[in-house]
Amino acid sequence: NAGVTQTPKFQVLKTGQSMTLQCAQDMNHNSMYWYRQDPGMGLRLIYYSASEGTTDKGEVPNGYNVSRLNKREFSLRLESAAPSQTSVYFCASSERTGGNNSPLHFGNGTRLTVT
Amino acid sequence: GESVGLHLPTLSVQEGDNSIINCAYSNSASDYFIWYKQESGKGPQFIIDIRSNMDKRQGQRVTVLLNKTVKHLSLQIAATQPGDSAVYFCAERLYNFNKFYFGSGTKLNVKP
Repeated sequence: NAGVTQTPKFQVLKTGQSMTLQCAQDMNHNSMYWYRQDPGMGLRLIYYSASEGTTDKGEVPNGYNVSRLNKREFSLRLESAAPSQTSVYFCASSERTGGNNSPLHFGNGTRLTVT
Repeated sequence: GESVGLHLPTLSVQEGDNSIINCAYSNSASDYFIWYKQESGKGPQFIIDIRSNMDKRQGQRVTVLLNKTVKHLSLQIAATQPGDSAVYFCAERLYNFNKFYFGSGTKLNVKP
């Protein structure tokens, strides 16, 4: 049971290049999330998907797009990378059914540097 | 603790002492709260959670206290060990949404 798997683990991009960060979860969770974490700071929500087929903006969506490919996979795309997008990106998933609460389960992150 | 930009607030404790890490959350409509531990180079790991209809919850060596009146959350770690050294984050979830928002974190440094 792998939990949340992110690829790649590291990436270096030049300004203006594009790339897609991949995330997959095997816990059958409905909700998936993308966060970014800058040095010495907390996590900020970029986008989330409450369920398959839906996505919504978080706190810092500018410069990003997402695709909820199916229930397992949620990808984050940078169309034209900027140095301000240098960060560690975390994917997470959770389940909320009825009155039950489920915490976020995180992957190990993608460390992105934009030069 | 409050966000101080690049420099996380740091709590230094002696091994064996109890630690208390504080968090102020922002939204009175939040209904569920979680504490996470993050070690260097890893993703956040779940420690303990609490619903808004409770004011205290205990786990193994950890206790979370919730004060909704002042929108304050705390994490108590008993008999702190060197392995507890990490950055700790609180997270809140908005009622009726499954969106989670994080505090800026506190670095716990345990001295042997």
